[in-house]
Amino acid sequence: DGGITQSPKYLFRKEGQNVTLSCEQNLNHDAMYWYRQDPGQGLRLIYYSQIVNDFQKGDIAEGYSVSREKKESFPLTVTSAQKNPTAFYLCASSTYQGASTEAFFGQGTRLTVV
Amino acid sequence: LAKTTQPISMDSYEGQEVNITCSHNNIATNDYITWYQQFPSQGPRFIIQGYKTKVTNEVASLFIPADRKSSTLSLPRVSLSDTAVYYCLVGTSGAGSYQLTFGKGTKLSVIP
Repeated sequence: DGGITQSPKYLFRKEGQNVTLSCEQNLNHDAMYWYRQDPGQGLRLIYYSQIVNDFQKGDIAEGYSVSREKKESFPLTVTSAQKNPTAFYLCASSTYQGASTEAFFGQGTRLTVV
Repeated sequence: LAKTTQPISMDSYEGQEVNITCSHNNIATNDYITWYQQFPSQGPRFIIQGYKTKVTNEVASLFIPADRKSSTLSLPRVSLSDTAVYYCLVGTSGAGSYQLTFGKGTKLSVIP
């Protein structure tokens, strides 16, 4: 089945540790995105990538890093510099056909700092 | 970047038609308007997308006036399972890039 997969679903991290969230898609989409969602809030864009080996900062990139070495994969690292990392993280992918696009989301990773 | 404004919340009874309006005064010529639905602890799901006039699919209709400064998502005969947050997005299209920027969305509560 084609889709976008995030893992793990739940993740616990100790303060001061880096942690990497996985996002894989087999939809052959060029663009991939990472969002953060806090309780009762909307989605905020962390990073996005239009092509392999290229990515751009979103609205809240500080304390996060990404890589895009393969078209299928766009891992997100939450570094110790992120002061409040506990949140729900969502990965998405999309095609790009002019300005018309439909994004597909993974089921999310819930990160908790303990 | 075209910013969107939606009502924070709406209530509706089962079986009624629900219309959620989104304002996007700074929409660019090439931008499309897209609506997503999100249930708690899940990723958003695409509902409908349009450029102008009216678009209809099996779950919703999207009405876009000629000036394109607003759009209305119409959900016919809602049920309890339509209780969710609905997001309106307007795409940027500069330099070949496309950001997906979400606002705070509209929380729809369907009442029995």
